Amino acid sequence: EPEVTQTPSHQVTQMGQEVILRCVPISNHLYFYWYRQILGQKVEFLVSFYNNEISEKSEIFDDQFSVERPDGSNFTLKIRSTKLEDSAMYFCAGPPSSGQETQYFGPGTRLLVL
Amino acid sequence: QKEVEQNSGPLSVPEGAIASLNCTYSDRGSQSFFWYRQYSGKSPELIMFIYSNGDKEDGRFTAQLNKASQYVSLLIRDSQPSDSATYLCAVMGGSYIPTFGRGTSLIVHP
Repeated sequence: EPEVTQTPSHQVTQMGQEVILRCVPISNHLYFYWYRQILGQKVEFLVSFYNNEISEKSEIFDDQFSVERPDGSNFTLKIRSTKLEDSAMYFCAGPPSSGQETQYFGPGTRLLVL
Repeated sequence: QKEVEQNSGPLSVPEGAIASLNCTYSDRGSQSFFWYRQYSGKSPELIMFIYSNGDKEDGRFTAQLNKASQYVSLLIRDSQPSDSATYLCAVMGGSYIPTFGRGTSLIVHP
């Protein structure tokens, strides 16, 4: 199974602080996704990224969120001013190769906002 | 609103039995269907995907799709205690954005 890595594995932050979550996808990906999963709830789509641009975003992905590919390989998800309800697991995911619909998930970042 | 419904369970089966997990979806335009396994505190792990009506088998797993009934299921044969996890159904349409169900908790007891 192709590997997607995420850092940090855990992040604790104070409400109102900015957090940056990082992901290194399967190499040579064009398609890339971010999801979140609040404890005990379903996996929710946040944003998809194709060829260095946002392709789709959900209602959850408001102005507090941004996604970038700063160095051509890593992807980052930034939450500008965290709220208590942002506490969740954040996963990045992508297909093993271009054109495929299957998605492999990274191990996730557990974000806790106090 | 696209909905994917799963019985939250827990579904409890004895070791060696067949576990049957079910999922219904609301969007008739859905084209791709996925089953993920998620252990507590871990990320979803892709088990099966199916695109066409009928059955698709991979080892101990069989995915079944009935688009007319908007129904997809996962059968796990010879269930093992290590299969105990939450199983997530995900459905994707032409937008390539999957909608996940809340998952069914499976417990396989020795």
